[in-house]
Amino acid sequence: DAMVIQNPRYQVTQFGKPVTLSCSQTLNHNVMYWYQQKSSQAPKLLFHYYDKDFNNEADTPDNFQSRRPNTSFCFLDIRSPGLGDAAMYLCATSTGGSYNEQFFGPGTRLTVL
Amino acid sequence: AQTVTQSQPEMSVQEAETVTLSCTYDTSESDYYLFWYKQPPSRQMILVIRQEAYKQQNATENRFSVNFQKAAKSFSLKISDSQLGDAAMYFCALTHNNDMRFGAGTRLTVKP
Repeated sequence: DAMVIQNPRYQVTQFGKPVTLSCSQTLNHNVMYWYQQKSSQAPKLLFHYYDKDFNNEADTPDNFQSRRPNTSFCFLDIRSPGLGDAAMYLCATSTGGSYNEQFFGPGTRLTVL
Repeated sequence: AQTVTQSQPEMSVQEAETVTLSCTYDTSESDYYLFWYKQPPSRQMILVIRQEAYKQQNATENRFSVNFQKAAKSFSLKISDSQLGDAAMYFCALTHNNDMRFGAGTRLTVKP
């Protein structure tokens, strides 16, 4: 089945130790998104790629970076995780255009010790 | 700036009954789309229903329907004949130019 896959599902890191979260898709969608969702809160858009064009949200901390080496893969790098970065990180894809739904992965839950 | 507000953190409904989840939004854009997403416990978020802002007719998908009041910037979700599998977090969302903003969510409990 075509889908959005996130690895790992659970990630534990230490304060200040860089971590990379992975997202892949078999839907061949143009747009890939990263969201941060803290407990009982709305998902918050961090950035998205439309093909190779990177779009950063104005309030996304510099600590968060992203890479999209090809259509299928997108990575979220957290350079120096703080305790406040502990959250669920959701990856989503769409074909682009506001009408089109976003397809979400299961998320990676990040714990920072 | 686009904002989405869900004023009901939690709702409950008896199985087979009807429940309405509220959502209001604010945007200065004329072309936007509204969505309801469902996030079951420990499972991924999926689309429930969507509405084009330029369409006056309310969207329906089986047991799910919306009441879209554009002038009031209101977009409520009605779930008829509630089932146990409807228990989840429900997020209202607004999209303009690939930028999706979510409300804080409403946790729906379905009582057998």
